[in-house]
Amino acid sequence: ETGVTQSPTHLIKTRGQQVTLRCSSQSGHNTVSWYQQALGQGPQFIFQYYREEENGRGNFPPRFSGLQFPNYSSELNVNALELDDSALYLCASSPGLAGVGVEQYFGPGTRLTVT
Amino acid sequence: AQSVAQPEDQVNVAEGNPLTVKCTYSVSGNPYLFWYVQYPNRGLQFLLKYITGDNLVKGSYGFEAEFNKSQTSFHLKKPSALVSDSALYFCAVRDMAGGYQKVTFGTGTKLQVIP
Repeated sequence: ETGVTQSPTHLIKTRGQQVTLRCSSQSGHNTVSWYQQALGQGPQFIFQYYREEENGRGNFPPRFSGLQFPNYSSELNVNALELDDSALYLCASSPGLAGVGVEQYFGPGTRLTVT
Repeated sequence: AQSVAQPEDQVNVAEGNPLTVKCTYSVSGNPYLFWYVQYPNRGLQFLLKYITGDNLVKGSYGFEAEFNKSQTSFHLKKPSALVSDSALYFCAVRDMAGGYQKVTFGTGTKLQVIP
């Protein structure tokens, strides 16, 4: 069974641009969560998708949006990039909602740098 | 909202000595608690969780954690530290704020095992 994969590994964008990050879930997992991890900080919850529906959102503005596809892969889109968006973006999949006690399986992350 | 606190930014321990990484929680209701580890330039890996049952939870790589309800703590422990245990450790808790279930992470503790 393959693990969680993310693409691209690294990305450099200019302030004001838009970016799409991708995540392929572990086989059999129907839930994907996205996190932003700034340098030296813990992961901050952006949102969670369960069976293609958004199921919870953290304290992030609407310019952060997402999708989950029928095969349970997912995208994170960020519009109007700001310098503070520079971070490691982590995708985690799980066989159910993370909050019900199942463990999450994390991808290696996408390092986004906004200049 | 539910939260966890990791009071130590860094813990140093000699190889072969026991290690403890501290975590305290603040929740309403029954806590669901997790420990994850992050190696450099990697995503997070699940170590163990407490949902219910025995207060001593055993996890991966020889780690264990003790749930203490009276002290609202969930400290991570290992009897004998290895150099390869050096990494960033995150405590996490189920958070039901906003009416949906998600996981909230602490700020992390860097564990340095000295040869």
